[in-house]
Amino acid sequence: AQRVTQPEKLLSVFKGAPVELKCNYSYSGSPELFWYVQYSRQRLQLLLRHISRESIKGFTADLNKGETSFHLKKPFAQEEDSAMYYCALRKDSSASKIIFGSGTRLSIRP
Amino acid sequence: GAVVSQHPSWVICKSGTSVKIECRSLDFQATTMFWYRQFPKQSLMLMATSNEGSKATYEQGVEKDKFLINHASLTLSTLTVTSAHPEDSSFYICSAKDRKAYEQYFGPGTRLTVT
Repeated sequence: AQRVTQPEKLLSVFKGAPVELKCNYSYSGSPELFWYVQYSRQRLQLLLRHISRESIKGFTADLNKGETSFHLKKPFAQEEDSAMYYCALRKDSSASKIIFGSGTRLSIRP
Repeated sequence: GAVVSQHPSWVICKSGTSVKIECRSLDFQATTMFWYRQFPKQSLMLMATSNEGSKATYEQGVEKDKFLINHASLTLSTLTVTSAHPEDSSFYICSAKDRKAYEQYFGPGTRLTVT
């Protein structure tokens, strides 16, 4: 069965510092990986997906199949980045259900 | 953009009663909708996958007789918590998959408190 692991429950960094939220997955096939973000009092929304290979709000994430990781990175954190971040996996593009990691709360200190 | 709504946004009910939560895709058709449960400061746990016109597929450990799911149209799915108990108190979130794309959109959630 597929599984997503986010080892950090809370990550606190200063504004302007680099950010890396870790995500590891277990699945024998070639899954789709996502990062979702939930700002305070807002609904869950897609931040980025690995197949898009794009940078959203300065965040990037590279799928490393060898290490089965999909870490989220941003070179310079901003206060508005404070939120809950969830790494998620879908078995493939034709599959339906998305499985979420336990989430990491990112707190940016001024 | 695609919007998913949930109604009600919060509900308080007495133990033993049933509660129905609606999930609607407002500007797109969703052949598949998903129901998640989120405990405080925890992740989203998938409860079931709901396909329009067919029976829902429940995840392991989720009681299908307790959490009744109906997906009668391409824009509406309902979750009914039957004979609710305090341990059913949680945040219930639905998401809908656009039939024309692979994107999945999330509703704002419904907070259920059972007293």
